[in-house]
This record gives sequence, C-alpha cells and structure tokens, in this order.
Amino acid sequence: SQKIEQNSEALNIQEGKTATLTCNYTNYSPAYLQWYRQDPGRGPVFLLLIRENEKEKRKERLKVTFDTTLKQSLFHITASQPADSATYLCALDRYQKVTFGTGTKLQVIP
Amino acid sequence: KAGVTQTPRYLIKTRGQQVTLSCSPISGHRSVSWYQQTPGQGLQFLFEYFSETQRNKGNFPGRFSGRQFSNSRSEMNVSTLELGDSALYLCASSRSGQALGETQYFGPGTRLLVL
Repeated sequence: SQKIEQNSEALNIQEGKTATLTCNYTNYSPAYLQWYRQDPGRGPVFLLLIRENEKEKRKERLKVTFDTTLKQSLFHITASQPADSATYLCALDRYQKVTFGTGTKLQVIP
Repeated sequence: KAGVTQTPRYLIKTRGQQVTLSCSPISGHRSVSWYQQTPGQGLQFLFEYFSETQRNKGNFPGRFSGRQFSNSRSEMNVSTLELGDSALYLCASSRSGQALGETQYFGPGTRLLVL
C-alpha cells in the first residue's frame, strides 16, 4: 500500500518568509497529488492539484512541485502570513483510492 | 451553493452502542467519501459511494458500513463501538469521484467520543 511521509513536527517560520513543506511517498507513483489545508475543528480545504506529467503548479502565493524520481512533492507558501497558520495535508492517488498524509502543522510567527 | 453538511456535529456514545452519521453533499455531486481522522493515524479512507453503490472501500472492519440514497445523501454506521473509534469523521463530496483527480469538498466533520 502507498505510504506517505510528511514532517510530523510543526514548522515555525517568520512572517514574510517562504514556508516549504515536504511530502514523500513510497511505492507506486500517483496519478496526481493534491494539497489541502485544515484548520482546527474543520474539514480539509482543497488548495492545489498537480498531475504526474506536471513538474510545477502555481496559484497566487502557493507553488507545488512534483518529482516522480525523488518520489517527493514540495509545497511552498511565499510571503507567509499569520493567517497561513494551519495543518497542510498532501493526498495521492493512482489506483482509485486517495491516501492522505498525516499533515504538517505550520505556524507563521508575526 | 451550500457546502457539505454533516450531522450531528458532536456525539458521545458508550462502548457497545451503535451510531449513525449523516452527510449531505453539495448539490449536483454524486460521489461521497467517508474518512476517519485521528491524531495518530491521520485521515484514513473508509469508503466511497457513487450513485447509491459502494465503489471503493478502505481497510476497516465490517462494523463500519455505509449507504447512499437516491438524492446522494449518505449515512455511515458504526456498530458495537470501541474506545478506538473515537475520532473526527469527515465526509467529502465530488462530482464524479476521487479516482478522477477531482477536488473533494469536505464537511466540518462529526466528532465522536466513545466512553
């Protein structure tokens, strides 16, 4: 089965800096990879999707990269703000079953 | 457009009881997936329903079951509750299903506590 590793420790960064979160997976390469944001007590909210034939995707201050050789996706938030503080989840699928990582908690310090 | 709604939001049960959770997807969405979220295991896939049929299932015991109605609303049932079933249960809807890489829209979840 697919295993996903995200930094289990919280990531603390200073406001205005770029936050970089990592998602590593084992086994088969997913057909696509998604990133979600989850705030305490709420369901995850979709942010970005990147397909296996794409290297990079951008949306406003967000950027996702996908390296199938390294079996890794990086999620970047540029010019981070305290409002970006949340848990970020990556999710992968190839064989019709979405697998989520356990998430990385990001804290942006003013 | 209304989002995904889940009822109840909070629930306290005792071991051995059973529970039914409800999910109303976004209008026009035919796929509903259920997930269990715990601090240690993260988000784990339970099952997906599409047009009233279970299309996919995760690795959970048979005590966990679900169904979908003709209006796409879905229910999940957990029988013979165990302490380890305490979790946030999330449902997510999409137009055609998670396998097509579509965005899933999550509800706020039902927080279940088993005593």
